[in-house]
Amino acid sequence: SQTIHQWPATLVQPVGSPLSLECTVEGTSNPNLYWYRQAAGRGLQLLFYSVGIGQISSEVPQNLSASRPQDRQFILSSKKLLLSDSGFYLCAWTQQLNSPLHFGNGTRLTVT
Amino acid sequence: AQTVTQSQPEMSVQEAETVTLSCTYDTSESDYYLFWYKQPPSRQMILVIRQEAYKQQNATENRFSVNFQKAAKSFSLKISDSQLGDAAMYFCAYRSPVSYGNKLVFGAGTILRVKS
Repeated sequence: SQTIHQWPATLVQPVGSPLSLECTVEGTSNPNLYWYRQAAGRGLQLLFYSVGIGQISSEVPQNLSASRPQDRQFILSSKKLLLSDSGFYLCAWTQQLNSPLHFGNGTRLTVT
Repeated sequence: AQTVTQSQPEMSVQEAETVTLSCTYDTSESDYYLFWYKQPPSRQMILVIRQEAYKQQNATENRFSVNFQKAAKSFSLKISDSQLGDAAMYFCAYRSPVSYGNKLVFGAGTILRVKS
């Protein structure tokens, strides 16, 4: 069966420090991969998605970037974190058009 | 671009009662996919139910059912026999069949509180 792993679960970073959040999917090949951000008590904002290795689409301009170095690996990065980058980050995958998104457990990022 | 609207920021229901969460969407497409997700305090996103627009029959999963009104572009979620474990934020989501990347568009969410 397919599983999705996302880490770390929580992260506290100072302003100006770099960021790397990692997400991997097991049990499937060539998934579509997504990074969402959720502010406290708010909805989900799509940040990036990828339909294949090296293919990254950005939904909103921001301080973050994404990469897909391997088929089932999706990385969210920043060179210098801002206070406004704080939030809950969710990785997700799907395979087919009529399939739902499957989410990781999320990373709670606090920028101090 | 498609939009999804959840007009109820918060709802409350008594345990064992029934509650309906509203969702409307804006689209010019005739075929698409709709989903309801639940996010409990753990913040794990859990799929509750899904509906394909070409199917006229409303989807049902145990105590959860939808009222899909295609002409009205409405997709409400009904929870019967509410339980304390149903307390969560609920998100409605839309997927276009021609969306590059199979993206989901989410509503802002409805917080459901269950009273004992």
